[in-house]
Amino acid sequence: AQTVTQSQPEMSVQEAETVTLSCTYDTSESDYYLFWYKQPPSRQMILVIRQEAYKQQNATENRFSVNFQKAAKSFSLKISDSQLGDAAMYFCAYRRLRGMRFGAGTRLTVKP
Amino acid sequence: GAVVSQHPSRVICKSGTSVKIECRSLDFQATTMFWYRQFPKQSLMLMATSNEGSKATYEQGVEKDKFLINHASLTLSTLTVTSAHPEDSSFYICSAPTSGVGWNEQFFGPGTRLTVL
Repeated sequence: AQTVTQSQPEMSVQEAETVTLSCTYDTSESDYYLFWYKQPPSRQMILVIRQEAYKQQNATENRFSVNFQKAAKSFSLKISDSQLGDAAMYFCAYRRLRGMRFGAGTRLTVKP
Repeated sequence: GAVVSQHPSRVICKSGTSVKIECRSLDFQATTMFWYRQFPKQSLMLMATSNEGSKATYEQGVEKDKFLINHASLTLSTLTVTSAHPEDSSFYICSAPTSGVGWNEQFFGPGTRLTVL
């Protein structure tokens, strides 16, 4: 079974600085998708960025980028120029045929 | 992006009663929808896969007789918590993937907070 591990329950970053959130996963599949979701206090899940496993190039979305290491089964999220609005729970997720498997989450605090 | 709605957004009920939660895809058809449960300060756990026109598929450990799922149309799935008890109190979230070739991006509903007294 696929598992997703986020080893950082909480992280803190100064506004305008850069922070990296870690995620590792375990799977025997060769083709899959990985995601980072943001969950603000409203609880609405918001897609931050996604990565197709067959693509070697790391995905980038504005201030958000990933470091995808397929052999190491690592999928970290880098947030550059952190903003107060980035404060939220961040979940790493692996897409299965049936739904998604989520990591335990990392609570990101942004200090002004 | 596509929109998924849930109703109600929050519900409080007495122990022993049943509660129905609706999940709708507003601007696309979804032959499959997923139901998740999120306990306070925890992650989302997949409960079941709702399939239009057929029986739902439940994850291990989820009681299918307690959490009834009906996928009545291509835009509506319902989750009924039967004989609810305080331990069923949780945040329930549905998601629906768009169909088509390639990416099946999942869109999440805003969630339903269930409190069982």
